[in-house]
Amino acid sequence: AQSVTQPDIHITVSEGASLELRCNYSYGATPYLFWYVQSPGQGLQLLLKYFSGDTLVQGIKGFEAEFKRSQSSFNLRKPSVHWSDAAEYFCAVGLNDMRFGAGTRLTVKP
Amino acid sequence: DGGITQSPKYLFRKEGQNVTLSCEQNLNHDAMYWYRQDPGQGLRLIYYSQIVNDFQKGDIAEGYSVSREKKESFPLTVTSAQKNPTAFYLCASSRDRLNTEAFFGQGTRLTVV
Repeated sequence: AQSVTQPDIHITVSEGASLELRCNYSYGATPYLFWYVQSPGQGLQLLLKYFSGDTLVQGIKGFEAEFKRSQSSFNLRKPSVHWSDAAEYFCAVGLNDMRFGAGTRLTVKP
Repeated sequence: DGGITQSPKYLFRKEGQNVTLSCEQNLNHDAMYWYRQDPGQGLRLIYYSQIVNDFQKGDIAEGYSVSREKKESFPLTVTSAQKNPTAFYLCASSRDRLNTEAFFGQGTRLTVV
């Protein structure tokens, strides 16, 4: 069955520390891959996307993600987290429709 | 400015009543989606439409209905058959059926009172 999995429900990091949010998918073909961020009570904003080509993609706000076909993963990273990065992050895959993972809530400690 | 607009932002409904959530986009996108968001459950797909006058059920379509009479509009009706309608509803659109990127509205929070 097609699925998108974000294994971590909640992650806490200190400001300035590095961050990695995990995303795994299960699809018959390689779908389009996305990461979105949501602030409380708001819609979702696109951070970055992968369609093909270079497996390391750069996004907005200093985020990057790496596509690993062998692991069916598309993990999101940031070298140094800022307090304003606290939000909920969603991995999404697009094939015939758009499906989202359950989300990872990021808390940033001062 | 191009974008996707949901209205109203907050909506209260009495049990047993139908209610319609509005979603309009001026991005000239072919595909539109409705998602329901509950705490800890992420986004679940209710309905999607890839072209005018055509739509498909998502994972949780029971108790909901949609229409796509115009490219710009994809209203969602929450019927009295939906047993637990209190949630945050998000509408999104994307350029084409290949789902290159979804743009989201600001959401409607529906509360049943």
